[in-house]
Amino acid sequence: DTGVSQDPRHKITKRGQNVTFRCDPISEHNRLYWYRQTLGQGPEFLTYFQNEAQLEKSRLLSDRFSAERPKGSFSTLEIQRTEQGDSAMYLCASSPTSGRQNTQYFGPGTRLTVL
Amino acid sequence: QKEVEQNSGPLSVPEGAIASLNCTYSDRGSQSFFWYRQYSGKSPELIMSIYSNGDKEDGRFTAQLNKASQYVSLLIRDSQPSDSATYLCAVRNNRLAFGKGNQVVVIP
Repeated sequence: DTGVSQDPRHKITKRGQNVTFRCDPISEHNRLYWYRQTLGQGPEFLTYFQNEAQLEKSRLLSDRFSAERPKGSFSTLEIQRTEQGDSAMYLCASSPTSGRQNTQYFGPGTRLTVL
Repeated sequence: QKEVEQNSGPLSVPEGAIASLNCTYSDRGSQSFFWYRQYSGKSPELIMSIYSNGDKEDGRFTAQLNKASQYVSLLIRDSQPSDSATYLCAVRNNRLAFGKGNQVVVIP
């Protein structure tokens, strides 16, 4: 399977704990994006990377959130001191380097539940 | 004003009928527009992209773009029960801005 993969698929944690999610993009894609989706809403942009450089961060990405893509391949998203409001589906997407016809392909998502 | 608006409530259509979905966007400089389908509990799946004014057809799906009116639509012809899903309109300026989606229910 050469699609975007995410791990874990589901995570249940207690409030205050730290969690880390991983995303492996399609191998030839330079850009990697993180989105968050809550029930009844469309995905909301969090951040994106071109290779290892983090080029844009949303205001939604509070100080408790950090994302890395150290070698320009896989990426991790860490949430520190989780809160119940962090419960959501976290989606990763990848695309080739910018060009107007380069579309984003999504992974299966990681569903986070904070108790 | 939200970047991308999809204001219609759930849409119920009989099997075989046409489903029509609408979307407006706020950034007049936007160049790339997408429709994604999302089944319950799953991630979005790209079904159509459109970049130029006019219609683009792919199988039973037709996307329509009117940049002057900042309006994108999706038509699903010969609707099937498997088309029952949430349809997300998205506009790209590097990252994607999504509407909240429209739920479509195809009634057999």
